[in-house]
Formats: sequence, C-alpha cells, structure tokens
Amino acid sequence: AQSVTQPDIHITVSEGASLELRCNYSYGATPYLFWYVQSPGQGLQLLLKYFSGDTLVQGIKGFEAEFKRSQSSFNLRKPSVHWSDAAEYFCAVGAHGTASKLTFGTGTRLQVTL
Amino acid sequence: NAGVTQTPKFQVLKTGQSMTLQCAQDMNHEYMSWYRQDPGMGLRLIHYSVGAGITDQGEVPNGYNVSRSTTEDFPLRLLSAAPSQTSVYFCASTLEPGGLGTEAFFGQGTRLTVV
Repeated sequence: AQSVTQPDIHITVSEGASLELRCNYSYGATPYLFWYVQSPGQGLQLLLKYFSGDTLVQGIKGFEAEFKRSQSSFNLRKPSVHWSDAAEYFCAVGAHGTASKLTFGTGTRLQVTL
Repeated sequence: NAGVTQTPKFQVLKTGQSMTLQCAQDMNHEYMSWYRQDPGMGLRLIHYSVGAGITDQGEVPNGYNVSRSTTEDFPLRLLSAAPSQTSVYFCASTLEPGGLGTEAFFGQGTRLTVV
C-alpha cells in the first residue's frame, strides 16, 4: 500500500523568504504525485502534479516541485513567499496511476510573517 | 461552470440519526470519490466510484454507504451517525484514465458534527 509522509506539521517563514515543503512517498511503481493547497474553510486546490517526464514540475502561484526517485521525494518550493500563501499544503500520491484514489500526507501548515 | 457541488455545507446530527451528504458534478467525469478530513490525519478515502452503478471501498468505509445511479451524483449516506464521524467531508471527481490531464477536483466540503 502506498503512503505519504510530510515531516513538517507547521512551518513559519517571513514574507519574501524562500520555502521548501517536504514530501516523501512510498509506492511500488511510478507514482502519480500531487500537491494541493487548502485555505481555511475552503476546499482543495491543485498546485501541481507529476506523472512522468521532466522531474521539475511548474505549478500555479509560482510553485514548483522536484521528483527525486532515488529519495522517494516530491518537495514543493517557492523562491519568494507572499503573505497570501499562508494555508495548509497537502502532498498526495495516486494509486495505480490514477487521481481518483489518493493517499494524502497529514499536511503542513504554513504561516507567513510580515 | 459549477464543478463539484456539495450540500449541505454544515450539519449537526444527534448520535443514531441518519443523513445523506450530497455531491454533484457537471464535468461529465466518470470517477468520483469521498474523503474525510480529520485534524492531523490529512484526507482519507471513504468510498469511490468508477462509473454509474460501480462503487468500491476506500481506506475507511465503515459506517458509510454510497450508490451511483447517475454520472453526475454520488451521495454519501450515514445510516446511524456516531461521534467518531464528526469530520469534514470532501467529494472529488476525476476525469480518467490517468495521464497528463488527470487531476481530482474537490468540492468545498461538508462540516459534520455528531453530538
């Protein structure tokens, strides 16, 4: 069975600073990997996804993620954080090459200080 | 374009009551799923459906029933609510099969409290 680990429960960064959110996965085959963002009281919005090909994936809102098979990681990065990026971020893996049966990590809550 | 619509947004139930959480999508997606979100646990898959008339269990199916009579609708039923079912419930729909265009679209969630 697949699993996702987000080791950081809560991260605080200053506005303008760089950000990296960690995600490690366990899956037997080539994974489908996703990063979602959830603002308070809202649903989940897809930031980016990886299926195959280029291991550096660009997403919305200036986010990117890099798939590293050797480290079983899919870390999310942003070079300069904005106050509006404060939210909870979830990494997820899709079973059997689908997006309809996702296994989520426990999430990382990002706080941005001004 | 409404996407995925969940109703109600909030609900309070007494232990033992039954209710149905509604989910509808207008994107003609074959695949639909239900997740629950609990603090510190992320989202966990309850049930999913790969098309009308076809459903299957996810990671945490106990206490929940689903059916899929149309492509658009995927209701989640709680037959006898328990306090352990207090959670935020999300419905998602996905255009499959997998590929570059695949992603799950989520509704806004239903916050359920069982007292």
